[in-house]
Amino acid sequence: AQRVTQPEKLLSVFKGAPVELKCNYSYSGSPELFWYVQYSRQRLQLLLRHISRESIKGFTADLNKGETSFHLKKPFAQEEDSAMYYCALANAGGTSYGKLTFGQGTILTVHP
Amino acid sequence: EAGVAQSPRYKIIEKRQSVAFWCNPISGHATLYWYQQILGQGPKLLIQFQNNGVVDDSQLPKDRFSAERLKGVDSTLKIQPAKLEDSAVYLCASSPRGRWYSPLHFGNGTRLTVT
Repeated sequence: AQRVTQPEKLLSVFKGAPVELKCNYSYSGSPELFWYVQYSRQRLQLLLRHISRESIKGFTADLNKGETSFHLKKPFAQEEDSAMYYCALANAGGTSYGKLTFGQGTILTVHP
Repeated sequence: EAGVAQSPRYKIIEKRQSVAFWCNPISGHATLYWYQQILGQGPKLLIQFQNNGVVDDSQLPKDRFSAERLKGVDSTLKIQPAKLEDSAVYLCASSPRGRWYSPLHFGNGTRLTVT
């Protein structure tokens, strides 16, 4: 069974401080990991995905298969980063048709 | 491109009543998903369509929930009869090919309150 755990429901930092949102997963197959974000009054949208190895809005995430983690990091948080963040997992093998399993989400608040 | 459209945005019903939600995916997207998001939890997949066929409905409470995607475009999710625990946001999403690397495009959701 696929499972995604985000241990922090709430995370508060000050502007300019580093931020790390934790995500751990359990899956016996070939996992592919994503971060989705929901800003206030906006729809849920993709932030970044592991396969792209990209940095979006200053955020990066490294897949650590040994620790089964995919933490989201940003060196200098901005107020506009305040949002709900979801870690999600997809089965990269077989014909999964893109089914995503989401974590419970972390509300990030960046204070001025 | 136009985004995923959902209606209504809000719905309040009494328990044991029925309700239906509508979703229009992004044009050309073959895969359509319905997710249920209970307050304080992450979205949970209810049903997934590839064109007009169901590929995953393992978490759909089939005794009360039903969904269809006629002609492989619009979709309707129905609850009959509703229970208090069905209070949630119902999210529709679509993707071009339904592969693990395809990002999901979400609608604004329908917030259902069952009293």
